[in-house]
Amino acid sequence: GNSVTQMEGPVTLSEEAFLTINCTYTATGYPSLFWYVQYPGEGLQLLLKATKADDKGSNKGFEATYRKETTSFHLEKGSVQVSDSAVYFCALTTSGGYNKLIFGAGTRLAVHP
Amino acid sequence: DGGITQSPKYLFRKEGQNVTLSCEQNLNHDAMYWYRQDPGQGLRLIYYSQIVNDFQKGDIAEGYSVSREKKESFPLTVTSAQKNPTAFYLCASNDRDNQPQHFGDGTRLSIL
Repeated sequence: GNSVTQMEGPVTLSEEAFLTINCTYTATGYPSLFWYVQYPGEGLQLLLKATKADDKGSNKGFEATYRKETTSFHLEKGSVQVSDSAVYFCALTTSGGYNKLIFGAGTRLAVHP
Repeated sequence: DGGITQSPKYLFRKEGQNVTLSCEQNLNHDAMYWYRQDPGQGLRLIYYSQIVNDFQKGDIAEGYSVSREKKESFPLTVTSAQKNPTAFYLCASNDRDNQPQHFGDGTRLSIL
């Protein structure tokens, strides 16, 4: 079946450090891939997306590239800030009449000054 | 501003009681979804609806019920049959043409 696997957290970094959160997926067909971010006590916000192989999604300094050959969609940021502290979810949807989102377990990021 | 409104933000349930969580959207989206989030876990789909007066079970529908009488509203009832209801509940919506889902701010349900 379809699934998403994320690296376990928490990830703890100092401000201005480089961030990578690994995400790999298993899916039939050609899924769309997403990163969502959840700040404490809030719902999820879409961070970025990619809909086909080799697409790069980017937003707020975060980037992720859809790698079909390695079935990966790793999230990166060159210089994290304290305000980036949150839980990050990798997710996919399969093609079809509606978008059933399949989520990874989430990775908590804590950035210290 | 367009968005999804969930209420209440916090809800407490007594033993044997049914409680209803509200979800309203003014984005004119066709599809709406309910997810459950447990600590340290991802989101799991409870129910979804693609059109008014129609809805389907997700992965963990037992102990829950929904209705979709209006396009903008998709309430979730947590029944007494749900033995472990303590969780964070998130409502989402999107258009049916593969657009990303938009989420509300969630309702945290606890047991008294």
